[in-house]
Amino acid sequence: EVQLVQSGAEVKKPGESLKISCKGSGYIFTSYWIAWVRQMPGKGLEWMGIIFPGDSDTRYSPSFQGQVTISADKSISTAYLQWSSLKASDTAMYYCARQATVTSDFDYWGQGTLVTVSS
Amino acid sequence: NFMLTQPHSVSESPGKTVTISCTRSSGSIASNYVQWYQQRPGSSPTTVMYEDNQRPSGVPDRFSGSIDSSSNSASLTISGLKTEDEADYYCQSYDSSRGVFGGGTKLTVL
Repeated sequence: EVQLVQSGAEVKKPGESLKISCKGSGYIFTSYWIAWVRQMPGKGLEWMGIIFPGDSDTRYSPSFQGQVTISADKSISTAYLQWSSLKASDTAMYYCARQATVTSDFDYWGQGTLVTVSS
Repeated sequence: NFMLTQPHSVSESPGKTVTISCTRSSGSIASNYVQWYQQRPGSSPTTVMYEDNQRPSGVPDRFSGSIDSSSNSASLTISGLKTEDEADYYCQSYDSSRGVFGGGTKLTVL
């Protein structure tokens, strides 16, 4: 059974760093892309970027380029989304999702990680 | 870069048919496949349509998708509406290899 299991909710202060994770199982992790999608409270879905764990090919939305870093550790089938300095506006639910090709649909989603940034 | 525009909300009665539109702001709607995702409150999104008009296994055939080049838009049609269809629906496509989501449409089945 394909599963994407994300790390738990986080509460952070502005300026702090954070790395959240998405662990894939039930499939060949290095053969599929992993995307990250943001959903701010009460708002819609936003595509942040993707990574191909097989070769670490990474692509970002212009809106998120330089704001976050996407990475993966294929030895433990885990993708990451990280911030070096959080802002209150980073408060959101973050989903990871799997896709077969760079332009295919997201066929499996993680359960989401809620990040709250507040002083 | 392009945007995908959806109506903010639609409502219809059980048993009826509803169509949700997704209009591409520039470039041809046919240039890249369109996907549709359903998101119920408190849940992760799930695919209800991919590659414009392909239904994943498990999605009832009450759901159908299409594109219309004349209006440069994609549509998701749900027939025989059920209360369980009440959810947010998002269209999604690609600009080169960068994903683009529509703003989402809240479907109310009343």
